[in-house]
Amino acid sequence: LAKTTQPISMDSYEGQEVNITCSHNNIATNDYITWYQQFPSQGPRFIIQGYKTKVTNEVASLFIPADRKSSTLSLPRVSLSDTAVYYCLTISGNTGKLIFGQGTTLQVKP
Amino acid sequence: GAGVSQSPRYKVTKRGQDVALRCDPISGHVSLYWYRQALGQGPEFLTYFNYEAQQDKSGLPNDRFSAERPEGSISTLTIQRTEQRDSAMYRCASSLVLAGGTNTGELFFGEGSRLTVL
Repeated sequence: LAKTTQPISMDSYEGQEVNITCSHNNIATNDYITWYQQFPSQGPRFIIQGYKTKVTNEVASLFIPADRKSSTLSLPRVSLSDTAVYYCLTISGNTGKLIFGQGTTLQVKP
Repeated sequence: GAGVSQSPRYKVTKRGQDVALRCDPISGHVSLYWYRQALGQGPEFLTYFNYEAQQDKSGLPNDRFSAERPEGSISTLTIQRTEQRDSAMYRCASSLVLAGGTNTGELFFGEGSRLTVL
């Protein structure tokens, strides 16, 4: 499985757009890229998943360049309630095994 | 059920005792995963099942840990002869799609079982 690297922490302010970039240099052809969000004392929650180009849903966008060695999670107009840990994962299309890294702790300030 | 249910939510045990943690996945979900999470760390993969078949147990720390899902629904994670280092939040997750399929889908996590070994 490709190891992912992402910033340990980020700060932002309410109403701003937040972009969290993750590198996965050794991503395999069959791997997908997935992001999860975790609030304190809760289990991780799925945000978005993609394979290449751009994916958008009601809460976030995921940008994946052609070489797929990195991905960027974009959160539009964050609020205080978006303060959480965000995990970038690669999922093997062959095995389905998910490995979580340390995540990025996002702190949204008023 | 409406969500992934884990029990007990909290378990305090003495070193050397065996514990069994139960996971009841979302009805119809075919894949089931076990993770454990230490404070301030990301979830650590333990094992997972497609239906009743254990696909990967490479994350189980040692042979004191075992898991089963005999009928492809409820799963039990058993820790024998517990040690203090086993203290953690144990999280179960399930997925509607088979792990390893072309559409890997999303995992739904339960609230976890917090194990404290004294």
